Amino acid sequence: GDSVTQMEGPVTLSEEAFLTINCTYTATGYPSLFWYVQYPGEGLQLLLKATKADDKGSNKGFEATYRKETTSFHLEKGSVQVSDSAVYFCALSGNNAGGTSYGKLTFGQGTILTVHP
Amino acid sequence: EAGVAQSPRYKIIEKRQSVAFWCNPISGHATLYWYQQILGQGPKLLIQFQNNGVVDDSQLPKDRFSAERLKGVDSTLKIQPAKLEDSAVYLCASSHRGIRTGELFFGEGSRLTVL
Repeated sequence: GDSVTQMEGPVTLSEEAFLTINCTYTATGYPSLFWYVQYPGEGLQLLLKATKADDKGSNKGFEATYRKETTSFHLEKGSVQVSDSAVYFCALSGNNAGGTSYGKLTFGQGTILTVHP
Repeated sequence: EAGVAQSPRYKIIEKRQSVAFWCNPISGHATLYWYQQILGQGPKLLIQFQNNGVVDDSQLPKDRFSAERLKGVDSTLKIQPAKLEDSAVYLCASSHRGIRTGELFFGEGSRLTVL
């Protein structure tokens, strides 16, 4: 079945440092890939997404590129801020050949990011 | 646009007691999901509804968990009797039917502690 593996955490960085959180996946078909973020005391929210190979998702300075050859979707940000402290989840949604989503998401275990001033 | 509403936000019960969680999805979203998030793990799908029909409940422990979605809108998730290992955050999410990108919109969750 579908699965997502994230790098072991937690990750602690100083403000303005470079961030990479690794994510690899196993899936049949043509999955869409997502990064969700959970800020303290809030619900999960979509950070960025990519729906086909070589697509790059980006939002709030974060980027991730859908690499089918390495089955990866690593999250990066060039300069983190204290406000980026949160839990980050990589996820996939299986699609059929026509690109219609099966709907449900399969999540990785999450990576806790703490950014110090 | 109002988001996904869940209640209660927090619940503490003793093992073998029962508990129910309520979810109101975003207006017009035909698909509703219940996820279980145990501390330190990613959310795991318990059940998926399309309107008021069940699409996937393969991960739902049916001996103790039940869920319904009457009239294709609100949903209730019940646990009876609760076990210690049911301590988790129960997340409700909704999405458009057949949306190409599969984006889900989540509520803030209901945190259950079983003593």
